[in-house]
Amino acid sequence: EIVLTQSPATLSLSPGERVTLSCRASQSIGSYLAWYQQKPGQAPRLLIYDASNRATGIPARFSGSGSGTDFTLTISSLEPEDFAVYYCLQRSSWPRYTFGQGTKLEI
Amino acid sequence: EVQLVESGGGLVQPGGSLRLSCAASEFTFSTYSMNWVRQAPGKGLEWVSYISSSSSGKYYADSVKGRFTISRDNAKNSLYLQMNSLRDEDTAVYYCAREKSYNIDYWGQGTLVTVSS
Repeated sequence: EIVLTQSPATLSLSPGERVTLSCRASQSIGSYLAWYQQKPGQAPRLLIYDASNRATGIPARFSGSGSGTDFTLTISSLEPEDFAVYYCLQRSSWPRYTFGQGTKLEI
Repeated sequence: EVQLVESGGGLVQPGGSLRLSCAASEFTFSTYSMNWVRQAPGKGLEWVSYISSSSSGKYYADSVKGRFTISRDNAKNSLYLQMNSLRDEDTAVYYCAREKSYNIDYWGQGTLVTVSS
């Protein structure tokens, strides 16, 4: 099973700051990685797919990069609504998807 | 806007059964593969099961294989998850999720399943 490890577990930042979240895979997954945002009591929302492609309607301040085993999600300037939990998901072993354990972004 | 609405969750005793449903709208359901993903209280996300658009392909996580059955009715725009022999560790919010080009793109709001005596 491909294991995704996200770091850090929690990040405390302020609006306007730039943030980079990390997701590392236990083996190479090419570019088959997605990022999701989840707010309390809500379903996850797709932000980035195939490592670097923004999903429909996602603001340009969100960007993704990486390939192989190391991936990052960058938010260029935090907005108040960006404070949430972020998950990465790999589809290299499709359809047996696996998720990272999440990074909580808090104010 | 894509709509996915789950139902059927509730409280069930260990060893019991439950059938979840997901009603889809605002897209051509019959042309998309679908998945169930769950989230235990305060925990992360876990993929549970996949079904292809025509139901010809079905896959399960090892944790539920042999106990859960995924199905769909394209005429009714509905996805189902039959859950048998439920265990405490199956307690979670269950989401149905659409798959587009091998990516999970839309999720429902989820339905809570609680397994407890």
